[in-house]
Amino acid sequence: EVQLLESGGDFVQPGGSLRLSCAASGFTFSTYAMAWVRQFPGRGLERVSGMSDSGGKIYYADSVKGRFTISRDNSKNTLYLQMNSLRAEDTAVYYCAKASLGSCSSGRCYDFDSWGQGTLVTVSS
Amino acid sequence: EIVLTQSPATLSLSPGERATLSCRASQSVSSYLAWYQQKPGQAPRLLISDASNRATGIPARFSGSGSGTDFTLTISSLEPEDFAIYYCQQRSNLITFGQGTRLEIK
Repeated sequence: EVQLLESGGDFVQPGGSLRLSCAASGFTFSTYAMAWVRQFPGRGLERVSGMSDSGGKIYYADSVKGRFTISRDNSKNTLYLQMNSLRAEDTAVYYCAKASLGSCSSGRCYDFDSWGQGTLVTVSS
Repeated sequence: EIVLTQSPATLSLSPGERATLSCRASQSVSSYLAWYQQKPGQAPRLLISDASNRATGIPARFSGSGSGTDFTLTISSLEPEDFAIYYCQQRSNLITFGQGTRLEIK
């Protein structure tokens, strides 16, 4: 059974930093792309960042480019999201999601066949 | 960016009725469209991939159809546990999600 367990969400002031982690189990982690998908309080969903199976292909939403950094450690079956210069509009539940493929190719990407339970990030003064 | 527009925003039906949810893309996504179900306090769950393929463990009452820009998720006979929010997602050009349809009990 696939399990994705996120941690690291917290309450932080604007300009602050957080590091999210996602511990994966139940599948061969190194053969699937992984992503962070956030859900805003108004319920909209956005893929924040994604990383291919080997780590060679990385995607960031325009809204987080230059502030967030995704990484993975395939030896530890763990996905990370370093979030710096946080803004109020980053407030959301952050989900770790397993892709249905190893990477995007020529713009064509993947679905998300497993999700973690989510971790709440609140940015407020 | 491909924009997905879901309709209606809210659908009020009774158990046993048939539900038809729509997702329209701003440009063709071929058949690269998925549907997810989200219940309160839970993460989204993949129901349908590539427009019409049910994910593992998804009941047969859920079906998807369409291609190009117009897609439909049909629930043939609503069970109490089906009342939730449903999202579509395209993977033809990067990844975007629709804004969701809330399926509520009438």
